[in-house]
Amino acid sequence: ETGVTQTPRHLVMGMTNKKSLKCEQHLGHNAMYWYKQSAKKPLELMFVYSLEERVENNSVPSRFSPECPNSSHLFLHLHTLQPEDSALYLCASSRRIGGGGELFFGEGSRLTVL
Amino acid sequence: AQSVTQLDSQVPVFEEAPVELRCNYSSSVSVYLFWYVQYPNQGLQLLLKYLSGSTLVESINGFEAEFNKSQTSFHLRKPSVHISDTAEYFCAVSRVSAGGTSYGKLTFGQGTILTVHP
Repeated sequence: ETGVTQTPRHLVMGMTNKKSLKCEQHLGHNAMYWYKQSAKKPLELMFVYSLEERVENNSVPSRFSPECPNSSHLFLHLHTLQPEDSALYLCASSRRIGGGGELFFGEGSRLTVL
Repeated sequence: AQSVTQLDSQVPVFEEAPVELRCNYSSSVSVYLFWYVQYPNQGLQLLLKYLSGSTLVESINGFEAEFNKSQTSFHLRKPSVHISDTAEYFCAVSRVSAGGTSYGKLTFGQGTILTVHP
């Protein structure tokens, strides 16, 4: 396995459901990120984890709950979402030091909230 | 804080024509610069980057970008595009930090959709 892997690639859920997105990186990085990409909007940084500690939370609603159990895995737990939360959710990883902040992205999880 | 402006939201071109995607940034400190490409239904992939050294950087598929510090620009160019270059392109910038930690500091532009027509 290589790079950054996200599952599931597609997810449809109702507003009362609880689901989770999973991200795994095989690059030996120690920083991981969740981004939200909506149509006709710029990329939105949601959460940043460095050495498994959350270092940034950009005013994301509490219906999104991240979890980083170790440096290779990152989850985004979803509950009571709204239709406007439908988007492509991208996971990324990077080196904590060096590399200029270059991010390595997964292929994304396309979320549709009905 | 830094910011990135991609001056064109959409660029249509014909196959084998040259193309330039424009990117300007604003920062009070030195920066690193990146171009990412996103094909339909995929994540972002790094196309090329400027960290230091030569201001002209190239990708393996024929794109190049030149860092122009005086004009605070990092425009992306390709002399002859292919249908397969159709994608969205993102310019991004991060600031150079003295301590070497650089995570979480990428700022993205709004993206330019390049459409190559036959």
